[in-house]
Amino acid sequence: EDKVVQSPLSLVVHEGDTVTLNCSYEVTNFRSLLWYKQEKKAPTFLFMLTSSGIEKKSGRLSSILDKKELFSILNITATQTGDSAVYLCAVEPYNQGGKLIFGQGTELSVKP
Amino acid sequence: DGGITQSPKYLFRKEGQNVTLSCEQNLNHDAMYWYRQDPGQGLRLIYYSQIVNDFQKGDIAEGYSVSREKKESFPLTVTSAQKNPTAFYLCASANGFPADEKLFFGSGTQLSVL
Repeated sequence: EDKVVQSPLSLVVHEGDTVTLNCSYEVTNFRSLLWYKQEKKAPTFLFMLTSSGIEKKSGRLSSILDKKELFSILNITATQTGDSAVYLCAVEPYNQGGKLIFGQGTELSVKP
Repeated sequence: DGGITQSPKYLFRKEGQNVTLSCEQNLNHDAMYWYRQDPGQGLRLIYYSQIVNDFQKGDIAEGYSVSREKKESFPLTVTSAQKNPTAFYLCASANGFPADEKLFFGSGTQLSVL
């Protein structure tokens, strides 16, 4: 059975800290891995990763994929209170109509 | 502005009642999806549609039904057969399949049982 597992499930840090969120997967016919940020209601897209070892970066956020070890990490440096959210990892298999398999999410809380 | 609109934001269902959640998009996207979100379980796929008048079951379709009569609309009906409907429901759309572009999500509907 395809599955995506995120860790930790929740995390509390202080502003300025650096955090690393983990996502491991066991998915047949892997096509891509995606990260979303869910602050209140609608998840918003962060990154799509398809190739191993190539870092995607956007401001203080970065992510990388390891297709051999079947995991991805999302790093956030110099965290701010606005980074508080649930971070969702999802994997898209080939030939399943764009269906995404989501992990449980990591709830990040950044304290002032 | 282009986007996905879900309504209502909050919905209450009585025992034995069917309720319908609305999802409308003006992004001209072909593919639309319904996900259910429960605390600690992430998002799970209920139904998806790649094209008008066609849809497929996702991982947890039992107790739900959908229709796709128009490209912009993908309503979800939670039937009385769904015994544990309390959850947050998210609708999403994408420009193609596989999702070469990111999924766009609506703001969700919180469904509760009275």
